[in-house]
Amino acid sequence: GNSVTQMEGPVTLSEEAFLTINCTYTATGYPSLFWYVQYPGEGLQLLLKATKADDKGSNKGFEATYRKETTSFHLEKGSVQVSDSAVYFCALSNGGGGADGLTFGKGTHLIIQP
Amino acid sequence: GAGVSQSPSNKVTEKGKDVELRCDPISGHTALYWYRQSLGQGLEFLIYFQGNSAPDKSGLPSDRFSAERTGGSVSTLTIQRTQQEDSAVYLCASSLGSLNPYEQYFGPGTRLTVT
Repeated sequence: GNSVTQMEGPVTLSEEAFLTINCTYTATGYPSLFWYVQYPGEGLQLLLKATKADDKGSNKGFEATYRKETTSFHLEKGSVQVSDSAVYFCALSNGGGGADGLTFGKGTHLIIQP
Repeated sequence: GAGVSQSPSNKVTEKGKDVELRCDPISGHTALYWYRQSLGQGLEFLIYFQGNSAPDKSGLPSDRFSAERTGGSVSTLTIQRTQQEDSAVYLCASSLGSLNPYEQYFGPGTRLTVT
């Protein structure tokens, strides 16, 4: 079956530090990959996505590249801000063009200190 | 515009009682999804609807769980004879289905506590 593995944290960084949150996956076929973010007191929001190998998703300074050879989709940001503090979820969708359920990792709690 | 709404936002119930959770998707979204978020299990996919039909119900945790969607819009998730392990946040999401299946918009969730 499908699975997503990500570092659980919490990950604590200082403002302006470089961020990497690792995500690897197991799936059959050619999944689509996503990063979702949950800010304190808010619902899940799609941060970025990539639908085929070597695609790079990007949004709000965050980037992730779909690496089929290493089955990874690591999230990076060059300079984090306090407002990036949230829980980040890596996820995949494996069929029907994405019109099916998402398989999520357990989430990484990111804390950015001023 | 209006996002996905869920009701109630919080529900406390006694073990053994039935509960109904409601989801109102974004207008025009043909696909609707239910997930469960709990400390032990993380985010689990439960079921999805394309229109009014659910092609695969195997993600539902037990036969005490059922879901329906009518008129291609509102959906209800029903849990019968609730157990303490059903305590979780139940999330609903919707998407444009085959038109733009990749972006699922999530509601704020219903926090269910079974005492």
